[in-house]
Amino acid sequence: GNSVTQMEGPVTLSEEAFLTINCTYTATGYPSLFWYVQYPGEGLQLLLKATKADDKGSNKGFEATYRKETTSFHLEKGSVQVSDSAVYFCALRDNAGNMLTFGGGTRLMVKP
Amino acid sequence: NAGVMQNPRHLVRRRGQEARLRCSPMKGHSHVYWYRQLPEEGLKFMVYLQKENIIDESGMPKERFSAEFPKEGPSILRIQQVVRGDSAAYFCASSPGTIFDSPLHFGNGTRLTVT
Repeated sequence: GNSVTQMEGPVTLSEEAFLTINCTYTATGYPSLFWYVQYPGEGLQLLLKATKADDKGSNKGFEATYRKETTSFHLEKGSVQVSDSAVYFCALRDNAGNMLTFGGGTRLMVKP
Repeated sequence: NAGVMQNPRHLVRRRGQEARLRCSPMKGHSHVYWYRQLPEEGLKFMVYLQKENIIDESGMPKERFSAEFPKEGPSILRIQQVVRGDSAAYFCASSPGTIFDSPLHFGNGTRLTVT
């Protein structure tokens, strides 16, 4: 079956530091890949997506590249802000197009 | 264009009572998904519905849990005879179809507390 593995948190960084959150996946075929962000007390918001190999998704300074050869979709940001503090979820949706399969989430804490 | 609407935002039930969680998908979306998030954990798929049909309920506990998405009105997730272990955040998501590169859109969740 499908699965997504994320690095465990919490990840604690100082403002303006470089962020990487690792995500690897297992799926049949060629899934679409997503990053969602969850702020405290809220639902999940789509952050970015990539639908085929070597695609780069980007939004709000965040980027992730679909790497088929390493089955990875690592999230990066060059300079984090305090307002980026949240939980980040990596997810995939396979060719059957049914549900999203989520990783366990990574909590990011950014200190001033 | 309103997003996915869930209500109530918070629900408190005593052990043995019933909990009803409602979800109205985004306008134009006919596919609804329910997920459960236990404290400090990720989201676990429960059930996927289209209007008047349950498509995939592989993540739903076999007892006490049921879901429906009637022709008219919101989708309902029903938990009978709640126990403390049911305390969690329940999220609903919707999509316009099964196009695999389209994201799911999530509501803000219902936080169920069983006392």
